[in-house]
Amino acid sequence: NAGVMQNPRHLVRRRGQEARLRCSPMKGHSHVYWYRQLPEEGLKFMVYLQKENIIDESGMPKERFSAEFPKEGPSILRIQQVVRGDSAAYFCASSPGQGVTYEQYFGPGTRLTVT
Amino acid sequence: SQQGEEDPQALSIQEGENATMNCSYKTSINNLQWYRQNSGRGLVHLILIRSNEREKHSGRLRVTLDTSKKSSSLLITASRAADTASYFCATSGSNTGKLIFGQGTTLQVKP
Repeated sequence: NAGVMQNPRHLVRRRGQEARLRCSPMKGHSHVYWYRQLPEEGLKFMVYLQKENIIDESGMPKERFSAEFPKEGPSILRIQQVVRGDSAAYFCASSPGQGVTYEQYFGPGTRLTVT
Repeated sequence: SQQGEEDPQALSIQEGENATMNCSYKTSINNLQWYRQNSGRGLVHLILIRSNEREKHSGRLRVTLDTSKKSSSLLITASRAADTASYFCATSGSNTGKLIFGQGTTLQVKP
């Protein structure tokens, strides 16, 4: 059973470009969480999605950031018009269910560098 | 502000010694989890302790939870060089299960 897959592992974008980060959850998992880790800091929650639904986006910046988890295919975190402050590691995690009784399994992360 | 605060921020010990890391949090929780992150890599889940539990063991790991003090500790016994990593506590208090992470403790185990 493959773990959580994220691609690309490294992404370089110039200021103003768009970044698309993909996350394929573990087989059988329909719950996806996205977290961002700035250099030398802990992870910060961004958004929680189930298939075709955004459940909690309280950690998402109000502008330029969006996320989706379609019925088919991976979850996508999209950052429009990237700025240098968006440079970070973005991790997704999946779980088989919602709530506090389920462990979250993390992917290897996508390291975004904005030049 | 960040839910979890970890102490110390950095810890350096010799192989074979024990390492203790502490985590404090501010609001009520359903569970608390500890993760390990090797440099430049993803997170590995170590252990989950529920709010009604006080202590849990897994191999060389021992986790305690004191909900009255809103704190937890992670003890790694008989440390090895391979334990060198950053360790994060994460709390879950909402019914969505989203995790709130601490700043982490960077552990270096010298061979």
